[in-house]
Amino acid sequence: SQKIEQNSEALNIQEGKTATLTCNYTNYSPAYLQWYRQDPGRGPVFLLLIRENEKEKRKERLKVTFDTTLKQSLFHITASQPADSATYLCALAGSSNTGKLIFGQGTTLQVKP
Amino acid sequence: NAGVMQNPRHLVRRRGQEARLRCSPMKGHSHVYWYRQLPEEGLKFMVYLQKENIIDESGMPKERFSAEFPKEGPSILRIQQVVRGDSAAYFCASSPPSGTGNEQFFGPGTRLTVL
Repeated sequence: SQKIEQNSEALNIQEGKTATLTCNYTNYSPAYLQWYRQDPGRGPVFLLLIRENEKEKRKERLKVTFDTTLKQSLFHITASQPADSATYLCALAGSSNTGKLIFGQGTTLQVKP
Repeated sequence: NAGVMQNPRHLVRRRGQEARLRCSPMKGHSHVYWYRQLPEEGLKFMVYLQKENIIDESGMPKERFSAEFPKEGPSILRIQQVVRGDSAAYFCASSPPSGTGNEQFFGPGTRLTVL
């Protein structure tokens, strides 16, 4: 069956360091992958989208890689700040273009000052 | 431009009652999605609708749950005869009509508590 796994434990890092979050999937061939941020009590907020034919995407301090051979995406936040503390969700979409997103369970990031 | 609106934000129902959750997509968006988030779990897809059409309901429980997106007015997620296991946060998202593959804009969610 299809499975998406993110870092199972919370990630604690020091301010200024680079945070790296992992998203692995099995039995799936997504057309694209998205990353969202979710703060407690709020809805997810879109961050980045990367398509199956793209290796890397950047946006300000954010970088996403997508390796369809390894079935893995890495999400990096450089020069992390306490305000980056949140839960980060990866989401996959299939090529059937139904718009349906399959979400991982999320990784909680805590950036300490 | 107002974001995705959901109401109510909090809803308390007793077992056996009906819950009606409303979602108004962003202006100009014609695609609506509903997701459910159980405590300590990730978001689970429920249903994808366009105006007056259900496109994908593969995540909807077979019984008691229904969704609609009428020509006029908000999208409605309806849960009949609620049970304690229905307690969760229900999120609505919308996207523009330029096709799937776009980011989805999420509302603040409705937190349903079944007593």
